[in-house]
Amino acid sequence: DQQVKQNSPSLSVQEGRISILNCDYTNSMFDYFLWYKKYPAEGPTFLISISSIKDKNEDGRFTVFLNKSAKHLSLHIVPSQPGDSAVYFCAAGMYSSASKIIFGSGTRLSIRP
Amino acid sequence: DAGVIQSPRHEVTEMGQEVTLRCKPISGHNSLFWYRQTMMRGLELLIYFNNNVPIDDSGMPEDRFSAKMPNASFSTLKIQPSEPRDSAVYFCASSLASPSEAFFGQGTRLTVV
Repeated sequence: DQQVKQNSPSLSVQEGRISILNCDYTNSMFDYFLWYKKYPAEGPTFLISISSIKDKNEDGRFTVFLNKSAKHLSLHIVPSQPGDSAVYFCAAGMYSSASKIIFGSGTRLSIRP
Repeated sequence: DAGVIQSPRHEVTEMGQEVTLRCKPISGHNSLFWYRQTMMRGLELLIYFNNNVPIDDSGMPEDRFSAKMPNASFSTLKIQPSEPRDSAVYFCASSLASPSEAFFGQGTRLTVV
């Protein structure tokens, strides 16, 4: 049972445009959500997070939106840059579960010139 | 701090052999996670520890897999006997008590031939 789903395995966006990565979840008990970025041959690195009590969190070019009623979150990157080409993982956790974090399967973002 | 350190970076072994992957978490972190990344399933949580105690091992594929955390600065993931389908990249990650992002090691690429 995949509790965190990323239904788009890949996405191609032109440099300078907006990249939108989507994530759905099934467990309404999740308290917080995170996005990780992964380059080849490296471990994932934390990018941005959002608490379930908020609907938006912004950090520079990166904004995460949370729609709890739809159990959906999205990561917006604007403007997209070549260095943004990577695999992006959505993840979710619960305060009551001692930091257990569940990841989605990832979306490979390619920024084309 | 050097971050999460995993060893070896690459491991090639023959089917039936025992494989041991090692992890040194970030000092002060009290949660440790083992993940497996495959093309088909993305990042799967295998097991996580909190304060050196295994909290949830429901992601461990089968009895051939075992993990230990004898102290706060060291953990191992053992596969015995190994099979070709175990070939994947195995990540170790650590974090502070929730809410917090996990910090990942660079991973161990395991190939079982």
